[in-house]
Amino acid sequence: EAGVAQSPRYKIIEKRQSVAFWCNPISGHATLYWYQQILGQGPKLLIQFQNNGVVDDSQLPKDRFSAERLKGVDSTLKIQPAKLEDSAVYLCASSQRVTGLGNTIYFGEGSWLTVV
Amino acid sequence: AQKVTQAQTEISVVEKEDVTLDCVYETRDTTYYLFWYKQPPSGELVFLIRRNSFDEQNEISGRYSWNFQKSTSSFNFTITASQVVDSAVYFCALSEEAAGNKLTFGGGTRVLVKP
Repeated sequence: EAGVAQSPRYKIIEKRQSVAFWCNPISGHATLYWYQQILGQGPKLLIQFQNNGVVDDSQLPKDRFSAERLKGVDSTLKIQPAKLEDSAVYLCASSQRVTGLGNTIYFGEGSWLTVV
Repeated sequence: AQKVTQAQTEISVVEKEDVTLDCVYETRDTTYYLFWYKQPPSGELVFLIRRNSFDEQNEISGRYSWNFQKSTSSFNFTITASQVVDSAVYFCALSEEAAGNKLTFGGGTRVLVKP
């Protein structure tokens, strides 16, 4: 079974530029997550989708970050304009459901962003 | 609010030694799940084990074992007979059913296994 796919793996941009990351979850997984992991820290949730609806975006800096999952499958996370503090790994993850069996969250390899 | 603490920031062992990673959590929910993930240098978070709050049975899976104790809110993880390939950062994580399966991670413990 294919895992969570993400692209690009690495991106270097200048501050105030924009960047977009793409994610394709595990087939059949209804729930999709974007996490931000700053070097030396644990990942923090940015946004959670259930199918194509947003469940939780309370930690998403909405003045510069946006995300969509239009058809309930793949998703795009955008940052515009980027700041130096946005340098991090952006991890996409998915799970079958949010409760009980099937709530294990599986992660992709991450998209490494460096803002200079 | 949920919280996960991994007091050990880095552990260094010699190959074949056992290594135990500590994890302490805080939650007000009665239904919750605890996880351990491994993050090798490639960056991917690899799922290792999952436990729910109603199952305190401790198990062994290959070289991995865990000790879940609700009385002390701890969920410790042991790697037996460590190997160089076990070198990675290990994260303990908690999700509360009431919070919609949002994972809260600890700060991670870096394990270095020397040959």
